[in-house]
Amino acid sequence: DAGVTQSPTHLIKTRGQQVTLRCSPKSGHDTVSWYQQALGQGPQFIFQYYEEEERQRGNFPDRFSGHQFPNYSSELNVNALLLGDSALYLCASSGSGRVNEQFFGPGTRLTVL
Amino acid sequence: QKEVEQDPGPLSVPEGAIVSLNCTYSNSAFQYFMWYRQYSRKGPELLMYTYSSGNKEDGRFTAQVDKSSKYISLFIRDSQPSDSATYLCAMSLSGSARQLTFGSGTQLTVLP
Repeated sequence: DAGVTQSPTHLIKTRGQQVTLRCSPKSGHDTVSWYQQALGQGPQFIFQYYEEEERQRGNFPDRFSGHQFPNYSSELNVNALLLGDSALYLCASSGSGRVNEQFFGPGTRLTVL
Repeated sequence: QKEVEQDPGPLSVPEGAIVSLNCTYSNSAFQYFMWYRQYSRKGPELLMYTYSSGNKEDGRFTAQVDKSSKYISLFIRDSQPSDSATYLCAMSLSGSARQLTFGSGTQLTVLP
């Protein structure tokens, strides 16, 4: 059973560019959450998708947007990249029942130059 | 003040020691409490998942929640070098809100 997968593994962009990160949830899970983890910090919640809609959003600007597809996979888009967007971006999936039990993928490391 | 406080360490212990990791929190509405282990440059791995107050044991790991004190702990018995990682506590509210709020993590090294 494949766990949560994310692509790409690493990404290097320059300021002002746009980036798209992808996530496939664990089999049987229907909810995807995205987190940003700066070096030496705990993950910070960006937003959560369920039934192809954004259900909850953290304290992140509108430059951060997302999408969930009918197969439950998800994308995170970041526009107008800033140096401060450099971080590990984590996707977590969960299913109905144990709703707060989230399983994380390996992350995408984004470097903005 | 952060909602969840966690001593960043680093913490070094000899192999076989009992390790105690702790978090405090300010929001009394938190109902679900989790511990994650994160190896360097990897995603967090769920270790323990508990609801409300009490203890939960899984192998060498024991999680304790004291909601009256807003304090949670993770104990690791017979620690191994493979336990060397960053340990993150996380918690969430009840209901449909599934956002996890994390501590900043404690870096643990178990010396052989």
